[in-house]
Amino acid sequence: AIRMTQSPSSLSASTGDRVTITCRASQGISSYLAWYQQKPGKAPKLLIYAASTLQSGVPSRFSGSGSGTDFTLTISCLQSEDFATYYCQQYYSYPPTFGQGTRLEIK
Amino acid sequence: QVQLQESGPGLVKPSETLSLTCTVSGGSISSYYWSWIRQPPGKGLEWIGYIYYSGSTNYNPSLKSRVTISVDTSKNQFSLKLSSVTAADTAVYYCARGVGYCSSTSCAHGYMDVWGKGTTVTVSS
Repeated sequence: AIRMTQSPSSLSASTGDRVTITCRASQGISSYLAWYQQKPGKAPKLLIYAASTLQSGVPSRFSGSGSGTDFTLTISCLQSEDFATYYCQQYYSYPPTFGQGTRLEIK
Repeated sequence: QVQLQESGPGLVKPSETLSLTCTVSGGSISSYYWSWIRQPPGKGLEWIGYIYYSGSTNYNPSLKSRVTISVDTSKNQFSLKLSSVTAADTAVYYCARGVGYCSSTSCAHGYMDVWGKGTTVTVSS
């Protein structure tokens, strides 16, 4: 199975900050990568697919980039509702696998 | 819009079979992949497997020997059975809709765009 590694595992930031989360695949996955946001006690919510395509209804302050093995999720201007855990997921090959998550906390 | 709702027992005894059902409302179960994902307490996400509306399945090799996913298109439902459970199977179980993508030669399960709220299953005697 393809291993997905996110960094950092946790991150403290303030509202208005720009933050970047990195996801690295153990082998090339082209652009077959999705990003999800999960708040405590809630299901994950799809933010981005195909590495950089914003899911309908997701604010434009979220953006994704990368291909091959290295990917980033950027939040351009943090809002209070963005403090959550973020997961990347590859769907290049079975089984689909997730990163371990990045917890974004309020500084 | 499409909504998913998991249902089933919240407590299962060790060595028994965990059974969950996901009901799809607001849309048809046709033309999509339907997945189960789980999340142990305080941990990350693990994909369990999917069923395509036609009935074809694909399971995570780590669970393949114990997993069965089935679909009932007449009820717009799909189900998960996980046998011989242990405490390590305690988790929140989510059902989700998988969006397929196609290359020039084949189609496959991609990302998951609609998720149920999740149901907690505890394995304990």
